[in-house]
Amino acid sequence: DVKVTQSSRYLVKRTGEKVFLECVQDMDHENMFWYRQDPGLGLRLIYFSYDVKMKEKGDIPEGYSVSREKKERFSLILESASTNQTSMYLCASSIREHQPQHFGDGTRLSIL
Amino acid sequence: QKEVEQDPGPLSVPEGAIVSLNCTYSNSAFQYFMWYRQYSRKGPELLMYTYSSGNKEDGRFTAQVDKSSKYISLFIRDSQPSDSATYLCAMITSGTYKYIFGTGTRLKVLA
Repeated sequence: DVKVTQSSRYLVKRTGEKVFLECVQDMDHENMFWYRQDPGLGLRLIYFSYDVKMKEKGDIPEGYSVSREKKERFSLILESASTNQTSMYLCASSIREHQPQHFGDGTRLSIL
Repeated sequence: QKEVEQDPGPLSVPEGAIVSLNCTYSNSAFQYFMWYRQYSRKGPELLMYTYSSGNKEDGRFTAQVDKSSKYISLFIRDSQPSDSATYLCAMITSGTYKYIFGTGTRLKVLA
């Protein structure tokens, strides 16, 4: 089975802090994704990566950046955290384009 | 208009009932369709993956795609309290990386 592991289940940070969310997948998948999930808004794509060191903006990239130095690891960075970035963050991977995504259990991030 | 519409529920059914969950979509280019189950405070878990029109069955779950009506369904037979969760539909066109998700339907199966 595919395993996507997110480093933290719950995280509390303060406004202005730089925040790192880490995600690791163990199935040699080409593609990795970061979403945020908010009630009533569903899943919104922040960034995705289709290869090592490659990244593409999703629908809501403002205030975020990503890093993919190794194939199995994809990091989401909040450059200067703000309260409107309080959300559930989900990492996903897929073996290649249009194949189903596999998700981690999410990081519930609170910015105070 | 959203690309994918999904009734948010909650949908409450008695144990043993047949459940029908649905999504409608507007983009006729969608070719790959997925259903995910998400328990509270967990990530979405893939249930079904189908290509183009037709039916696919896996145990108590059946996924149905009607491309002519732009309508997909997930049927759950002999529903159990453990099926209580939010169900998300997702779809994607060929050659892209952007999956489009419904907002999810919350299902409650009452014992």
